[in-house]
Amino acid sequence: DIQMTQSPSTLSASVGDRVTITCRASQSISTWLAWYQQRPGKAPKLLIYKASILESGVPSRFSGSGSGTEFTLTISSLQPDDSATYYCQQYNSYSRPTFGQGTKVKVK
Amino acid sequence: EVQLVESGGGLVKPGGSLRLSCAVSGFTFSSDSMDWVRQAPGRGLEWVSSISSGSDYIYYADSLKGRFTISRDNAKNSLFLQMNSLRAEDTAVYYCARGRPDYHILTGYHYYMDVWGRGTTVTVSS
Repeated sequence: DIQMTQSPSTLSASVGDRVTITCRASQSISTWLAWYQQRPGKAPKLLIYKASILESGVPSRFSGSGSGTEFTLTISSLQPDDSATYYCQQYNSYSRPTFGQGTKVKVK
Repeated sequence: EVQLVESGGGLVKPGGSLRLSCAVSGFTFSSDSMDWVRQAPGRGLEWVSSISSGSDYIYYADSLKGRFTISRDNAKNSLFLQMNSLRAEDTAVYYCARGRPDYHILTGYHYYMDVWGRGTTVTVSS
């Protein structure tokens, strides 16, 4: 199975800060990567697919980049509503999609 | 509006069985791949199983070791997960999600999860 590793595990930042989360795959997945946001007690919500395509309705302060084995999710100007856990997920393999362990973002 | 509503969760003893359902509305269910994903208390997301639109392709996480069975009824817009021989480590919130296809001419279809239900809680405890 393809392993996904996110860093950091947690981060704390202030409103207006630029925040970057990294996701690394154990082997190349081209750009078959999605990012999800999960607020406490809620279902995950799709933010980005194919590494960099913003899902409809998602604020433009979210962006994704990368290919191969290294990917980033960037929040350009952190807002209070962005307090959540963020997960990357590879879908290179239909039979074995895998998630990163998550990055908890706290807004000061 | 696209909606996925899970049901069937509850408290079950170790070794017991449970059948989860996911009722779908707002899109053409019979055309879409579906997934089950679970989240143990305080833990991350874990993919459980996928089923193609016509039930031709079915996959499971290795950790399940044949205890779970995914199925669907396209006439009733419903997805199911039959869980047998349940263990304490199966305690989790179980989400159903739609698999949206992403196509590449060389590698074919790839699926990511674009819409999720709110989840149903399964607790395995004596």
